[in-house]
Amino acid sequence: EAGVTQFPSHSVIEKGQTVTLRCDPISGHDNLYWYRRVMGKEIKFLLHFVKESKQDESGMPNNRFLAERTGGTYSTLKVQPAELEDSGVYFCASSPRGYANTGELFFGEGSRLTVL
Amino acid sequence: GNSVTQMEGPVTLSEEAFLTINCTYTATGYPSLFWYVQYPGEGLQLLLKATKADDKGSNKGFEATYRKETTSFHLEKGSVQVSDSAVYFCALNSGGYQKVTFGIGTKLQVIP
Repeated sequence: EAGVTQFPSHSVIEKGQTVTLRCDPISGHDNLYWYRRVMGKEIKFLLHFVKESKQDESGMPNNRFLAERTGGTYSTLKVQPAELEDSGVYFCASSPRGYANTGELFFGEGSRLTVL
Repeated sequence: GNSVTQMEGPVTLSEEAFLTINCTYTATGYPSLFWYVQYPGEGLQLLLKATKADDKGSNKGFEATYRKETTSFHLEKGSVQVSDSAVYFCALNSGGYQKVTFGIGTKLQVIP
């Protein structure tokens, strides 16, 4: 069974440009999460989808970030326009229905974003 | 709000040494506690968990005990191997649709 896959693994962009990160969760997982780790800091929650609906987006930093999960399958996270402080590793995680209250997450390898 | 505090490291140990990585937490209610591990080039994966006070989670020779009185969940291993080199994250979850709260991560390097 394929795990959580993320693309791209590394993206380097100029300040002001746009970047779109993609996450393919484990097939059949209803829950999909985005997290971010800025260098030297904790892994911070960004948002949580249940199927195609946003369950919790309280961690989204500002309106430059837009996450979608059309059809309840893969998800995209767009940053537009990117700022220097957006640099970090963006992790996607998924879990099956019924796991949302367990804290058990299945993570992808992360997408490293570098904004110059 | 919830928070997790762990030593930042890096921690460098010789093979077969004893490992302790400290973790303390602040949370409302009765959280579940976790250790996640990220090996080089891989995503985070759940190492062990404990869901209530005095529970001991264990996996791959690692252990951690949920201590409510000290709000701690320290990770231990009696004899580390080179293959244990990774970043270890302490985390908690308060249940429901609560987001998982992570610590800063502790990088462990085991040298032969």
